[in-house]
Amino acid sequence: QVQLVESGGGVVQPGRSLRLSCAASGFTFSNTIMHWVRQSPGKGPEWVAVISSDGAREYYGDSVKGRFTISRDNSKNTLYLQMNSLRPDDTALYYCAKSYHTWGQGTLVTVSS
Amino acid sequence: DIVMTQTPLSVSVTPGQPASMSCKSSQSLLQSGGKTFLYWFLQKAGQSPQLLIYEVSSRVSGVPDRFSGSGSGTDFTLKISRVEAEDVGVYYCMQGMNLPPTFGQGTKVEMK
Repeated sequence: QVQLVESGGGVVQPGRSLRLSCAASGFTFSNTIMHWVRQSPGKGPEWVAVISSDGAREYYGDSVKGRFTISRDNSKNTLYLQMNSLRPDDTALYYCAKSYHTWGQGTLVTVSS
Repeated sequence: DIVMTQTPLSVSVTPGQPASMSCKSSQSLLQSGGKTFLYWFLQKAGQSPQLLIYEVSSRVSGVPDRFSGSGSGTDFTLKISRVEAEDVGVYYCMQGMNLPPTFGQGTKVEMK
């Protein structure tokens, strides 16, 4: 069955960087558009970024554009989110999602001094 | 960005009774190819959102048929014909017509 397992979250100071990973299994990863979506405590989901199946095209939400980079390694069935210049309002549970149909359990990022 | 507005923000339902919620978009979600990119998710406590309905009215495999989606253009509805205890949680609509995908504020369903 489809599995998405996020990792790499943690507590980080403002201005620092973090890289999230999402290990995918149970489907043909290299044929699938992948997303990152985040959810701040007590709030609704907020879409972060999307990457095409071949990695050639990426799109970002305005709140992360220029700071975050989405990428993928189809040989490793893994999705990444490089997060730079982190801010307290980036604090959230970060989910990877297969198209919109299946989401992982998320990895928590806390940005605090 | 397309703004998604859900009403009501919360609803309390007696088990076995129906429930309904609305989602309105700030512009039409009908694509020129004829598809309408409106999705419904349920987020149960402590879990990630799970997709229930895609393209307005298509149920995801395994979703009970007591869930139904309807609507067109900018106005959409999710109905639960007979609410069960396992249906409690927050329901979100989401548009996938334009980037960025945007979510409504959510409708919280509780049991009486």
